[in-house]
Amino acid sequence: EAGVVQSPRYKIIEKKQPVAFWCNPISGHNTLYWYRQNLGQGPELLIRYENEEAVDDSQLPKDRFSAERLKGVDSTLKIQPAELGDSAVYLCASSLLPRGTEAFFGQGTRLTVV
Amino acid sequence: AQKVTQAQTEISVVEKEDVTLDCVYETRDTTYYLFWYKQPPSGELVFLIRRNSFDEQNEISGRYSWNFQKSTSSFNFTITASQVVDSAVYFCALSEALSNTGKLIFGQGTTLQVKP
Repeated sequence: EAGVVQSPRYKIIEKKQPVAFWCNPISGHNTLYWYRQNLGQGPELLIRYENEEAVDDSQLPKDRFSAERLKGVDSTLKIQPAELGDSAVYLCASSLLPRGTEAFFGQGTRLTVV
Repeated sequence: AQKVTQAQTEISVVEKEDVTLDCVYETRDTTYYLFWYKQPPSGELVFLIRRNSFDEQNEISGRYSWNFQKSTSSFNFTITASQVVDSAVYFCALSEALSNTGKLIFGQGTTLQVKP
């Protein structure tokens, strides 16, 4: 069974430019998460989807970040415009309901904003 | 407030030594889940174990073992006879059932270096 697939693996952009990350979760997983991991830190949740609905986006900086999960499968996270402080690894994860089941993570996208 | 603390930032051992990674958590929930993940240099977080708050039995899986003690709010991870391939960053995480979100709250991670 394929795991969570993310692309691109690496992205370098200039500040104020837009950037998008893509995630394909494990087949059949209803719940999809986007986490951000700053250097030397643990991941922090940005947004959680159940099927196509964003049920927890309280940590998402909505002035510049947006996300969507069309048809409850693939998801895209966008930053526009990017700032220097957005440099981090963006991790996508998926899990089955109910709550408390383990989440499976992709390899992440390492974003560098210069 | 919920919080996970991994006080050990970096640990270095020589191959075949045993090593214990500490994890202390804080939560007001009576029902919660604890996890350990491994993050090798390739970047993905690899799931190792999940425990729920009602199951305090220790668990052993090969060279890995976990000690869950509610009395001290700790969920420590021991690697026996460490190997170079165990070198990675290890994260402890907490998920609260009451919030019903599945959100994982991670510690800061412990970098383990196993030298040959």
